[in-house]
Amino acid sequence: DSGVTQTPKHLITATGQRVTLRCSPRSGDLSVYWYQQSLDQGLQFLIQYYNGEERAKGNILERFSAQQFPDLHSELNLSSLELGDSALYFCASSVGSGSYEQYFGPGTRLTVT
Amino acid sequence: KNQVEQSPQSLIILEGKNCTLQCNYTVSPFSNLRWYKQDTGRGPVSLTIMTFSENTKSNGRYTATLDADTKQSSLHITASQLSDSASYICVVSAGYSTLTFGKGTMLLVSP
Repeated sequence: DSGVTQTPKHLITATGQRVTLRCSPRSGDLSVYWYQQSLDQGLQFLIQYYNGEERAKGNILERFSAQQFPDLHSELNLSSLELGDSALYFCASSVGSGSYEQYFGPGTRLTVT
Repeated sequence: KNQVEQSPQSLIILEGKNCTLQCNYTVSPFSNLRWYKQDTGRGPVSLTIMTFSENTKSNGRYTATLDADTKQSSLHITASQLSDSASYICVVSAGYSTLTFGKGTMLLVSP
C-alpha cells in the first residue's frame, strides 16, 4: 500500500459526460501528479501540482482540468468525454518537486461508452 | 523531441534465471532516470532513481546501470521469481518535473 488513495476505483459513463476523479496524497507529501495510461500508449504525464499551485504540465487536453485543494487532495476533471478517454488514471504523490520518489495510487479505471 | 525506448517489448524467462532489460533515451536536459515495476492493473512501484553522477544502483535483486554518455540504462534482475512477472517501465526526467515514460518491457517468469 503506497498510502495514496484514489476514488472511485471504477467509473463507467457515456460520451459527452463529465466526471471527477479524486486523489489523496500520502501524509506529508506536497506534490500530486496525474497520469493517464491507455492500452496502446503507456503512461502519459498529465499535470503536477505542488502545494496548491500548478507546477508542470504534460499532455493534458483542454477538456481536462485539475486542482489541488488546501488540504492537498487533488481532483482531475474530465469533460466532454470521448471513447478515447477510456483509460486508467493514476495519481502519484511525492514529498517535494523534482527528483523525489513518486508513490502511485491504485488508479481509477474510466470506461466511456 | 524527448523519447524513451525500451527493449525488448516482452520477455519470457524461467524461474531462477537472470535477465537484463534495456532503456535508451533522448531526453534533454537530463535530470534523473527511474525504473518502475507495474503489476497488471496496479500503480507503478519505484525500483531505483539515478541522477547523472550515479552509474549503478541496486534494490535487492534489481540492479540498474546508467551510462549518461551513451544515454543508455539497463535493469538487471537476478535469480528471477514468479512475482517478478510485471511490466518494467523506464522513466527519464528532463529538467524540473517533466517525465518521459517508456512503453515498458513485459516480463513473464515461467515456473
